[in-house]
Amino acid sequence: GAGVSQSPRYKVAKRGQDVALRCDPISGHVSLFWYQQALGQGPEFLTYFQNEAQLDKSGLPSDRFFAERPEGSVSTLKIQRTQQEDSAVYLCASSSSGIGEKLFFGSGTQLSVL
Amino acid sequence: EDKVVQSPLSLVVHEGDTVTLNCSYEVTNFRSLLWYKQEKKAPTFLFMLTSSGIEKKSGRLSSILDKKELSSILNITATQTGDSAIYLCAGDFNKFYFGSGTKLNVKP
Repeated sequence: GAGVSQSPRYKVAKRGQDVALRCDPISGHVSLFWYQQALGQGPEFLTYFQNEAQLDKSGLPSDRFFAERPEGSVSTLKIQRTQQEDSAVYLCASSSSGIGEKLFFGSGTQLSVL
Repeated sequence: EDKVVQSPLSLVVHEGDTVTLNCSYEVTNFRSLLWYKQEKKAPTFLFMLTSSGIEKKSGRLSSILDKKELSSILNITATQTGDSAIYLCAGDFNKFYFGSGTKLNVKP
Protein backbone atom coordinates (compact mmCIF):
# COMPACT_ATOMS: atom_id res chain seq x y z
CA GLY A 1 0.00 0.00 0.00
CA ALA A 2 0.91 3.65 -0.27
CA GLY A 3 1.31 4.12 3.45
CA VAL A 4 0.74 2.48 6.81
CA SER A 5 -2.96 2.01 7.37
CA GLN A 6 -4.59 1.55 10.76
CA SER A 7 -8.16 0.74 11.66
CA PRO A 8 -10.36 1.71 13.27
CA ARG A 9 -9.40 5.38 13.57
CA TYR A 10 -11.43 5.69 16.77
CA LYS A 11 -12.62 3.06 19.18
CA VAL A 12 -14.76 3.55 22.25
CA ALA A 13 -14.91 0.58 24.58
CA LYS A 14 -16.60 -0.07 27.87
CA ARG A 15 -14.29 -1.11 30.65
CA GLY A 16 -13.84 -4.87 30.53
CA GLN A 17 -14.40 -5.22 26.79
CA ASP A 18 -11.84 -6.75 24.46
CA VAL A 19 -10.60 -4.69 21.50
CA ALA A 20 -8.59 -5.50 18.39
CA LEU A 21 -6.60 -2.87 16.52
CA ARG A 22 -5.37 -3.52 13.01
CA CYS A 23 -2.25 -2.34 11.22
CA ASP A 24 -1.53 -2.78 7.52
CA PRO A 25 2.10 -1.80 6.92
CA ILE A 26 3.69 -0.56 3.73
CA SER A 27 3.91 -3.45 1.29
CA GLY A 28 7.20 -5.28 1.61
CA HIS A 29 8.21 -3.73 4.88
CA VAL A 30 9.90 -6.28 7.07
CA SER A 31 9.69 -4.57 10.44
CA LEU A 32 6.58 -3.52 12.28
CA PHE A 33 6.36 -1.66 15.57
CA TRP A 34 3.48 -0.83 17.91
CA TYR A 35 3.59 2.24 20.13
CA GLN A 36 1.24 3.64 22.74
CA GLN A 37 0.97 7.42 22.99
CA ALA A 38 -0.77 9.00 25.95
CA LEU A 39 -1.93 12.61 25.74
CA GLY A 40 1.01 14.99 25.98
CA GLN A 41 3.59 12.22 25.87
CA GLY A 42 5.88 10.75 23.25
CA PRO A 43 5.18 7.32 21.78
CA GLU A 44 6.07 4.46 24.14
CA PHE A 45 7.39 1.24 22.61
CA LEU A 46 5.13 -1.79 22.95
CA THR A 47 6.38 -4.52 20.64
CA TYR A 48 8.36 -5.24 17.47
CA PHE A 49 8.03 -7.79 14.67
CA GLN A 50 10.46 -8.78 11.99
CA ASN A 51 8.34 -10.56 9.40
CA GLU A 52 6.09 -12.87 11.43
CA ALA A 53 8.48 -13.19 14.35
CA GLN A 54 7.79 -11.10 17.43
CA LEU A 55 11.35 -10.23 18.43
CA ASP A 56 10.60 -7.93 21.33
CA LYS A 57 7.49 -7.58 23.45
CA SER A 58 9.12 -6.01 26.44
CA GLY A 59 6.99 -2.86 26.24
CA LEU A 60 3.62 -4.56 26.54
CA PRO A 61 2.26 -3.22 29.84
CA SER A 62 0.50 -6.38 30.97
CA ASP A 63 -0.56 -9.83 29.84
CA ARG A 64 -3.85 -8.27 28.71
CA PHE A 65 -1.96 -6.97 25.68
CA PHE A 66 -1.21 -9.35 22.84
CA ALA A 67 0.09 -8.72 19.33
CA GLU A 68 0.42 -10.97 16.32
CA ARG A 69 1.55 -10.81 12.71
CA PRO A 70 0.89 -14.34 11.49
CA GLU A 71 1.79 -13.92 7.81
CA GLY A 72 4.40 -11.22 8.17
CA SER A 73 2.22 -8.42 6.85
CA VAL A 74 -0.92 -7.28 8.67
CA SER A 75 -0.64 -7.08 12.45
CA THR A 76 -3.28 -7.01 15.16
CA LEU A 77 -2.88 -5.61 18.64
CA LYS A 78 -5.43 -7.08 21.02
CA ILE A 79 -6.25 -5.70 24.43
CA GLN A 80 -8.32 -7.89 26.69
CA ARG A 81 -10.51 -6.66 29.55
CA THR A 82 -9.77 -3.01 28.75
CA GLN A 83 -9.22 -0.57 31.59
CA GLN A 84 -9.40 3.21 31.67
CA GLU A 85 -5.63 3.53 31.76
CA ASP A 86 -5.49 1.81 28.35
CA SER A 87 -7.00 4.96 26.80
CA ALA A 88 -4.39 6.31 24.39
CA VAL A 89 -3.49 6.56 20.74
CA TYR A 90 -1.99 3.32 19.43
CA LEU A 91 0.47 3.95 16.63
CA CYS A 92 1.80 1.39 14.22
CA ALA A 93 5.00 1.95 12.26
CA SER A 94 6.88 -0.06 9.67
CA SER A 95 10.33 0.04 8.15
CA SER A 96 11.83 -1.56 5.12
CA SER A 97 14.63 -3.74 6.32
CA GLY A 98 14.74 -3.92 10.04
CA ILE A 99 16.52 -1.98 12.68
CA GLY A 100 18.42 1.05 11.49
CA GLU A 101 15.89 2.25 8.97
CA LYS A 102 13.49 5.11 9.48
CA LEU A 103 9.97 4.39 10.63
CA PHE A 104 6.84 5.22 8.66
CA PHE A 105 3.82 5.75 10.89
CA GLY A 106 0.13 5.17 10.47
CA SER A 107 -2.43 7.69 11.69
CA GLY A 108 -3.12 5.66 14.79
CA THR A 109 -6.16 4.32 16.58
CA GLN A 110 -7.51 6.51 19.35
CA LEU A 111 -8.88 4.21 22.04
CA SER A 112 -11.16 5.58 24.72
CA VAL A 113 -12.16 3.24 27.52
CA LEU A 114 -15.18 4.43 29.50
CA GLU B 1 15.60 6.23 33.37
CA ASP B 2 14.59 7.93 30.12
CA LYS B 3 16.75 7.05 27.14
CA VAL B 4 15.77 10.19 25.24
CA VAL B 5 15.05 13.57 26.83
CA GLN B 6 13.76 16.60 24.96
CA SER B 7 13.66 20.24 25.93
CA PRO B 8 11.87 22.51 26.18
CA LEU B 9 8.57 20.68 26.60
CA SER B 10 6.73 23.55 24.98
CA LEU B 11 7.58 26.75 23.19
CA VAL B 12 5.58 29.72 21.94
CA VAL B 13 7.13 31.99 19.32
CA HIS B 14 5.99 34.47 16.67
CA GLU B 15 6.23 34.04 12.95
CA GLY B 16 9.71 34.82 11.69
CA ASP B 17 11.46 33.76 14.88
CA THR B 18 14.19 31.11 14.91
CA VAL B 19 13.84 28.19 17.31
CA THR B 20 16.21 25.53 18.58
CA LEU B 21 14.88 22.28 19.98
CA ASN B 22 17.08 20.01 22.04
CA CYS B 23 17.38 16.25 22.40
CA SER B 24 19.75 14.30 24.60
CA TYR B 25 20.17 10.54 24.70
CA GLU B 26 22.00 7.84 26.55
CA VAL B 27 24.93 6.15 24.90
CA THR B 28 24.26 2.44 25.45
CA ASN B 29 23.51 0.66 22.15
CA PHE B 30 22.94 3.98 20.38
CA ARG B 31 22.85 3.66 16.58
CA SER B 32 21.15 6.77 15.22
CA LEU B 33 18.87 9.64 16.10
CA LEU B 34 15.71 10.60 14.26
CA TRP B 35 13.50 13.68 14.28
CA TYR B 36 9.78 13.56 13.52
CA LYS B 37 7.04 16.18 13.23
CA GLN B 38 3.64 15.26 14.64
CA GLU B 39 0.76 17.53 13.66
CA LYS B 40 -2.26 15.35 14.24
CA LYS B 41 -1.67 11.66 14.69
CA ALA B 42 0.97 10.23 12.35
CA PRO B 43 4.51 11.47 13.01
CA THR B 44 6.23 12.36 9.76
CA PHE B 45 9.95 11.83 9.26
CA LEU B 46 12.28 14.82 9.19
CA PHE B 47 15.88 13.67 9.65
CA MET B 48 18.02 10.68 10.53
CA LEU B 49 21.44 11.44 12.02
CA THR B 50 24.19 8.91 12.41
CA SER B 51 27.42 10.88 12.14
CA SER B 52 28.53 13.56 14.54
CA GLY B 53 29.01 17.10 13.28
CA ILE B 54 27.35 16.71 9.89
CA GLU B 55 24.39 19.03 9.47
CA LYS B 56 21.32 17.82 7.65
CA LYS B 57 19.16 20.47 6.07
CA SER B 58 15.74 20.61 4.51
CA GLY B 59 14.46 24.06 3.66
CA ARG B 60 14.18 26.08 6.85
CA LEU B 61 14.86 23.04 9.04
CA SER B 62 18.27 21.73 9.96
CA SER B 63 19.64 19.30 12.48
CA ILE B 64 22.98 18.13 13.78
CA LEU B 65 24.24 15.39 16.06
CA ASP B 66 26.94 15.79 18.71
CA LYS B 67 28.08 12.35 19.84
CA LYS B 68 30.51 13.80 22.34
CA GLU B 69 27.70 15.63 24.12
CA LEU B 70 25.16 12.85 23.42
CA SER B 71 22.78 15.40 22.00
CA SER B 72 21.13 16.78 18.91
CA ILE B 73 19.46 20.03 17.99
CA LEU B 74 16.73 20.83 15.51
CA ASN B 75 16.71 24.38 14.20
CA ILE B 76 13.82 26.04 12.45
CA THR B 77 14.48 29.46 10.92
CA ALA B 78 11.88 32.02 9.86
CA THR B 79 9.12 30.06 11.57
CA GLN B 80 5.64 29.94 10.07
CA THR B 81 2.30 29.05 11.63
CA GLY B 82 2.43 25.78 9.71
CA ASP B 83 5.44 24.79 11.80
CA SER B 84 3.18 24.49 14.84
CA ALA B 85 3.37 20.84 15.86
CA ILE B 86 4.95 18.45 18.30
CA TYR B 87 8.54 17.64 17.39
CA LEU B 88 9.67 14.20 18.45
CA CYS B 89 13.20 12.95 18.83
CA ALA B 90 13.83 9.20 18.73
CA GLY B 91 16.92 7.17 19.42
CA ASP B 92 17.60 3.88 17.67
CA PHE B 93 18.89 1.56 20.39
CA ASN B 94 18.07 -1.61 18.45
CA LYS B 95 14.52 -0.43 18.96
CA PHE B 96 13.26 3.11 18.80
CA TYR B 97 12.72 5.11 21.98
CA PHE B 98 11.02 8.48 21.75
CA GLY B 99 11.30 11.55 23.90
CA SER B 100 8.21 13.33 25.24
CA GLY B 101 8.35 15.82 22.42
CA THR B 102 8.50 19.61 22.20
CA LYS B 103 5.20 21.30 21.50
CA LEU B 104 5.86 24.30 19.27
CA ASN B 105 3.22 26.98 18.82
CA VAL B 106 3.98 29.64 16.20
CA LYS B 107 1.71 32.64 16.51
CA PRO B 108 0.95 34.97 13.57
